[in-house]
Amino acid sequence: QKEVEQNSGPLSVPEGAIASLNCTYSDRVSQSFFWYRQYSGKSPELIMSIYSNGDKEDGRFTAQLNKASQYVSLLIRDSQPSDSATYLCASDSNYQLIWGAGTKLIIKP
Amino acid sequence: GAGVSQSPSNKVTEKGKDVELRCDPISGHTALYWYRQRLGQGLEFLIYFQGNSAPDKSGLPSDRFSAERTGESVSTLTIQRTQQEDSAVYLCASSFGAPGELFFGEGSRLTVL
Repeated sequence: QKEVEQNSGPLSVPEGAIASLNCTYSDRVSQSFFWYRQYSGKSPELIMSIYSNGDKEDGRFTAQLNKASQYVSLLIRDSQPSDSATYLCASDSNYQLIWGAGTKLIIKP
Repeated sequence: GAGVSQSPSNKVTEKGKDVELRCDPISGHTALYWYRQRLGQGLEFLIYFQGNSAPDKSGLPSDRFSAERTGESVSTLTIQRTQQEDSAVYLCASSFGAPGELFFGEGSRLTVL
C-alpha cells in the first residue's frame, strides 16, 4: 500500500528559529511532492511543490527532495507564531495524492 | 468565483436523514476532488472527477455515498441515511493541470445527531 509518513508532533520551535518538517514516502514511482499548510478549523492550502531532487526555495520556505532516500522535507526559516499550523505532506500517484497525516507545528513566542 | 465555493458551511441533521453537499469549483478547473476529514484526522479521499471521464469512486466508504458532476461545473455529494460516523468536514478541491496543486473550499461541516 502506498503511504506517506510524517511525525504527528507536536513539534515545538522557538520564534525566529528554523522549523524542520520531514516526510517519507513508499511509492518509488512518485514524481511530485507537495506541502500543504492547514490552520486549525481551516482548509489546507498549498505552500510548496517540488518535482526534482535538491532544494527549492520560496521566501522563508525551502523544500528538499531526495528520491533515492524517498524523503521530503520542509524548512521554515525565521519561524513566526503565524506559522503555527498542521503541515501536510503529499505525493502524487497518477492523478491522486497520497497524503500524510500531518505534523502539528507550534511556534513559541 | 475567485475560489472554490462549498455549501452549506454547516449542516446538522438527524441520523437516517439524507444530506446533499455542494461544490462550485474554480472556473476552468477540470479536476474536482471530494475528501472527508474527521476531527483531528488526515484527509480521506472519496471521489475524483476529471472533465467528462468516468469518475474514480474508489474512496466512497459505502453505497450510501454518491456524487455527481455535470461537465466541469458544480458537483454534489449526497449521503443517504446518515449515520453518526458520517460526522466530519467534507472538503472539495479543484485543480487545473498539475494534479497535485489543489485549491480547497472552506468545507462543509456535517454533524449527525
